[in-house]
Amino acid sequence: DQQVKQNSPSLSVQEGRISILNCDYTNSMFDYFLWYKKYPAEGPTFLISISSIKDKNEDGRFTVFLNKSAKHLSLHIVPSQPGDSAVYFCAASESNDYKLSFGAGTTVTVRA
Amino acid sequence: EPEVTQTPSHQVTQMGQEVILRCVPISNHLYFYWYRQILGQKVEFLVSFYNNEISEKSEIFDDQFSVERPDGSNFTLKIRSTKLEDSAMYFCASSVEGLFSPLHFGNGTRLTVT
Repeated sequence: DQQVKQNSPSLSVQEGRISILNCDYTNSMFDYFLWYKKYPAEGPTFLISISSIKDKNEDGRFTVFLNKSAKHLSLHIVPSQPGDSAVYFCAASESNDYKLSFGAGTTVTVRA
Repeated sequence: EPEVTQTPSHQVTQMGQEVILRCVPISNHLYFYWYRQILGQKVEFLVSFYNNEISEKSEIFDDQFSVERPDGSNFTLKIRSTKLEDSAMYFCASSVEGLFSPLHFGNGTRLTVT
């Protein structure tokens, strides 16, 4: 399933700086998008979501941007903190569909 | 904060054996799911469940798999005759609604088939 792609397997960022994670999708029927964070030995934890009627959603340090024409979304984390070091998954679904399609994940390392 | 709980955290079984993975979803959630992640691969959808029946399933979810909500709190995944390729981390999830509703995941059961 290549419908959701995270082309950067890893990202290293200094504490206090911005982390930008990218995600591309191929299915034009996707209209709900989510970001999850995952620590080792734990399940994915929901971070933030956005529906296709919006192009931005913000929750504290996390902001998701959606560019429907480019089939691209991004997650901005500002400022990055050591506890943000984790694997981040992008996921998407269609409005009449119960399943989420996941990207392969991006491992973020926040350096002190 | 309410959470999805899964037991056991690790299950080792021999090929051909039946295995049951257990989950307790968040109490006010109505939709339940199983996903799995084979080592080094993406998280994959297996099945969704609502109102005591399967609402959607993937190609992976063949006749060897079944789900059940035996009482008001548990949600189980059964694999009748395990294969080596069933070795994976299995995640249970639940959501308040089925669509446009974020899924909340448990910590997973690592299934190892030998």
